[in-house]
Amino acid sequence: GAVVSQHPSWVICKSGTSVKIECRSLDFQATTMFWYRQFPKQSLMLMATSNEGSKATYEQGVEKDKFLINHASLTLSTLTVTSAHPEDSSFYICSASLLAGVGDTQYFGPGTRLTVL
Amino acid sequence: AQTVTQSQPEMSVQEAETVTLSCTYDTSESDYYLFWYKQPPSRQMILVIRQEAYKQQNATENRFSVNFQKAAKSFSLKISDSQLGDAAMYFCAFALYNTDKLIFGTGTRLQVFP
Repeated sequence: GAVVSQHPSWVICKSGTSVKIECRSLDFQATTMFWYRQFPKQSLMLMATSNEGSKATYEQGVEKDKFLINHASLTLSTLTVTSAHPEDSSFYICSASLLAGVGDTQYFGPGTRLTVL
Repeated sequence: AQTVTQSQPEMSVQEAETVTLSCTYDTSESDYYLFWYKQPPSRQMILVIRQEAYKQQNATENRFSVNFQKAAKSFSLKISDSQLGDAAMYFCAFALYNTDKLIFGTGTRLQVFP
């Protein structure tokens, strides 16, 4: 149980284009979903937290206009990287939890590798 | 602010032996959770073990166990009977009880030699 999927697993795009990454909880309804960014050989950095039907909460230093997050349902959250640039190239990971606000276990997706040319 | 420190960037262990990964954290709160996540080369984050701070008993999951020392703010992971498949990055993480935010350490790369 508690499986989270991400699509696509990897994407290459040209500078200036937008890219959408989907995160789905397959066998549970996720109250809260999270988006992380991971640079090579580094830890995960939380970008934003989203709850179904409400606006995402972004971490300090994360541009909300550049990284658009939509949590359309209890099983789907999307991250759109708008006007992508080479510095946005990274590994993006989503996670989901059953319960909100209680430090519940997060279940992670397999990640999406974004390369911006 | 809460912080998580993993002081061992890399560790190695012989197959079938035991290894302990260190983690310390800093918080002024008393209600929180601690986690160990494994990230193999596939990059899929996998929950290894979870500990509630209010529980004195150390969590165990098969070959994985923790040594939770609340007063010392220490949360080490012991892997017994190490297997080749245990080779991965291991991240220690912290979450306050009343929030959703996971705070990760910098990770420890574990190598397992046959």
